[in-house]
Amino acid sequence: NAGVTQTPKFRVLKTGQSMTLLCAQDMNHEYMYWYRQDPGMGLRLIHYSVGEGTTAKGEVPDGYNVSRLKKQNFLLGLESAAPSQTSVYFCASSHDVIVSTGELFFGEGSRLTVL
Amino acid sequence: AQSVAQPEDQVNVAEGNPLTVKCTYSVSGNPYLFWYVQYPNRGLQFLLKYITGDNLVKGSYGFEAEFNKSQTSFHLKKPSALVSDSALYFCAVRDEDSGYALNFGKGTSLLVTP
Repeated sequence: NAGVTQTPKFRVLKTGQSMTLLCAQDMNHEYMYWYRQDPGMGLRLIHYSVGEGTTAKGEVPDGYNVSRLKKQNFLLGLESAAPSQTSVYFCASSHDVIVSTGELFFGEGSRLTVL
Repeated sequence: AQSVAQPEDQVNVAEGNPLTVKCTYSVSGNPYLFWYVQYPNRGLQFLLKYITGDNLVKGSYGFEAEFNKSQTSFHLKKPSALVSDSALYFCAVRDEDSGYALNFGKGTSLLVTP
């Protein structure tokens, strides 16, 4: 049981390049989330999904896109990377609120540097 | 919006002494509150949560948290700190308006010295 798996774990991009971060969970969770973590700012929600085929914006969505074509996967895309997107990105998942009282399960993080 | 605040960037405590990491909350309705821990270069690990019921919640690794409605606080505590408790601690509150995501505080770095 792998839990939440993020790939890649590290990536260096040049300004203007594009990339996709993949999050996969094997717990049959309905809800999935992408956060970014920056020093002194805690974790901030980028986008989230409450089920297959649905996505919504979080607190800091600009410059990112997401897709949830399969229940187990949640993709985060950067179309044109900027240095301000240098961060550590975390994916998380949870059961729906009928089943769970809300704790999120996190991946190990993806460290992205944009030069 | 539901939010939490962690007033201390860093807490230092000697091994064997009790520790407290502070958190206050601002919510509409009943709060769903959480504590997570993050070790260097790792993801966040769930410690404990308050949903309803007893104001003292017990969690993993000997940690507990006290919910205080009148002071709108949810402080994390441990009776006797270990060096291995040194990590980054996050308080969080569930946000029903964002797909039940958690809104996190800025984090408190705990350093336990031998």
